[in-house]
Parts: sequence; structure tokens; C-alpha cells
Amino acid sequence: GAVVSQHPSWVICKSGTSVKIECRSLDFQATTMFWYRQFPKQSLMLMATSNEGSKATYEQGVEKDKFLINHASLTLSTLTVTSAHPEDSSFYICSAQDREPDEKLFFGSGTQVSVL
Amino acid sequence: LAKTTQPISMDSYEGQEVNITCSHNNIATNDYITWYQQFPSQGPRFIIQGYKTKVTNEVASLFIPADRKSSTLSLPRVSLSDTAVYYCLVGDSWGKLQFGAGTQVVVTP
Repeated sequence: GAVVSQHPSWVICKSGTSVKIECRSLDFQATTMFWYRQFPKQSLMLMATSNEGSKATYEQGVEKDKFLINHASLTLSTLTVTSAHPEDSSFYICSAQDREPDEKLFFGSGTQVSVL
Repeated sequence: LAKTTQPISMDSYEGQEVNITCSHNNIATNDYITWYQQFPSQGPRFIIQGYKTKVTNEVASLFIPADRKSSTLSLPRVSLSDTAVYYCLVGDSWGKLQFGAGTQVVVTP
């Protein structure tokens, strides 16, 4: 199946700094990508929908100024956690929708963010 | 998006068949039913998708009754490596999927 690469797999940062996570569709074009976050022992929570060439759509309760999403090409979307705080520590996962042949949804391997 | 309800956990022994039933009473006409598997610290992995009746692939079967208000994921002859969280999702497109709590399946020798 198609591959979605997410980088880095883990990051440790100081409080107040920014963290950037990349999500790439390696062998298909993804006009739409999605970003989730997951706390320990909990389910995935959809944060936002990222569309190539347009502004992301954020779910209710997700601060768009804190979680900056850029989808500059059909194979790359980035999530930047700005001014990170310990409560932003979480597992962040992206997914990409393959338009061909049957619009399957593929997930990245996730990024564990730890804010000290 | 239709809400789904699954058992929180299920235990099984190696070699047994595991059946996980998901309730989705408010499923819409255009909604598909999709199951994902997730291991700790990994992204979800697609298992199977269906609309009605029965779907089978190399890893699982999906049974959907005529009213589509529930579905059952069947994992034949599970092994230790099948220990994971299994999510049932319902939606009218592949994209915007809301994950429920999932079912933690634990397989023991």
C-alpha cells in the first residue's frame, strides 16, 4: 500500500520553543491530509484538515494560531506547534488521502512530542 | 459523523477467532464502515472496509447486517502479534474520520 512518512518520530523541546512535524506522501499525491493528536491510553483526536494550496480547517477547540498547518505541495504537509508548553506533549499523527485509485486513507507513524 | 460504540477490551488465546462488534445506530445512507488497527506508538493501519453484507480480505472479515446499525470485525486464528487497539469508524468519505475509543485486544499464549 501507499506510504506516508512522518518526521521526526520523536522530539524533545524546551517550553516556549516551536516544534515542526513533517508529513509526506511518498508514492502518491494527497490533496488532503489530516492531523491528529493522541494522549496516552486515549483515542486519536482529529485536529485539522489540511488542503493543498488553501488554509487548513480546524476542529472546534483547536487553536489555529498555536497549531500552524501548511500544505504547500501535493506530497507535504507540516504541523508546527508554536510556543509549546508541557500540556502540548502528545503523540501527533498525520494521514493522507490517496485520490487514486480508491481514496484510501494512510497514516504516518506518528511523532512523540515531549515538552520540558 | 455517526457515533460508534465498541467493547473497551477483549481477551483471547492464540489460534482463536476474535469477533469485535461495533454499534453505529445513526449510520447514514452514504456512510462506509472502516476498521483500523493500532499498535503502541504507531499510526493506525487500515484493516478492512465495507458498506453492506460481508467483506473478506487476507487478514479479516467484516460482517454487516442488512440494517447496517452494527458491524462485526472477525480476526481468524489470532496470534500474539494481533494484540493491538482496533477502531471502528463510520463516515461518508475516507477523509474526515472521527475515532472512537477503540477495543484493546490482548492475545495470550
